[in-house]
Amino acid sequence: DVKVTQSSRYLVKRTGEKVFLECVQDMDHENMFWYRQDPGLGLRLIYFSYDVKMKEKGDIPEGYSVSREKKERFSLILESASTNQTSMYLCASISSMNTEAFFGQGTRLTVV
Amino acid sequence: AQSVTQPDIHITVSEGASLELRCNYSYGATPYLFWYVQSPGQGLQLLLKYFSGDTLVQGIKGFEAEFKRSQSSFNLRKPSVHWSDAAEYFCAVGGGIGDMRFGAGTRLTVKP
Repeated sequence: DVKVTQSSRYLVKRTGEKVFLECVQDMDHENMFWYRQDPGLGLRLIYFSYDVKMKEKGDIPEGYSVSREKKERFSLILESASTNQTSMYLCASISSMNTEAFFGQGTRLTVV
Repeated sequence: AQSVTQPDIHITVSEGASLELRCNYSYGATPYLFWYVQSPGQGLQLLLKYFSGDTLVQGIKGFEAEFKRSQSSFNLRKPSVHWSDAAEYFCAVGGGIGDMRFGAGTRLTVKP
C-alpha cells in the first residue's frame, strides 16, 4: 500500500521558533509538494521539489524553506514561526507521469 | 497561471438525492483534472481523474465527472448520496510538474 507519512499529526510551537515538518514517501516518486490548507482557501502550494536537492517556489513561499537531501524525504522549515502560520500542512507525492497525488494525513500546526 | 474555481463553499443535500459539485478551471493547454475528497481529520483521497479520451469519467464510491472543454468545467456528480459522502471535496488541475492547483473546496452536508 502506497504511503506518504508526515512525522506529526499535531504540533504546538511558540512564535519565533524554528519548526521542521517532515514528510516521507515510499513510492520512489520524483515529485513532492508542500501545501497549506486553510478554511475557504483550499490548498495553496508552498514549495515543491522535482528531484533530490531541487526545489521550486509555489504560490506562498514567504516564511518557509524546504530541504530534499534524499528522494524519499521532503522537509518544510519555518525559519521563525509566526501566528499567521497556524494551519494544516499537507505533504503530497506525485510520480513523474503526474497521474495522481498521494497525500499524507496532514500536520496541524498551532503557533502561539 | 492555471486556477480552479469551486463556486459553492457549502452544499446540503438529503440522503438519496442527487449531487452535483461544480468546478471551473483556467488552463492554457489540455489540463489534467482531478477530484479529491477529504473526510474530517484525514488527508485527501483521489475520487477520479481525467487526462484525455472519454469526457465522462467514472470514479470510486459511485462518483462520476464530465469534462466540458467549451465551458472549462469538470463537474462532479453522484446519482444518490449516502450519509458517508459528507466530506469536503476539492477539484484540482494540473499539466506538468509542480503545476497542480486546487480549488477552495466544497463542503458537503448530508441530511438524513
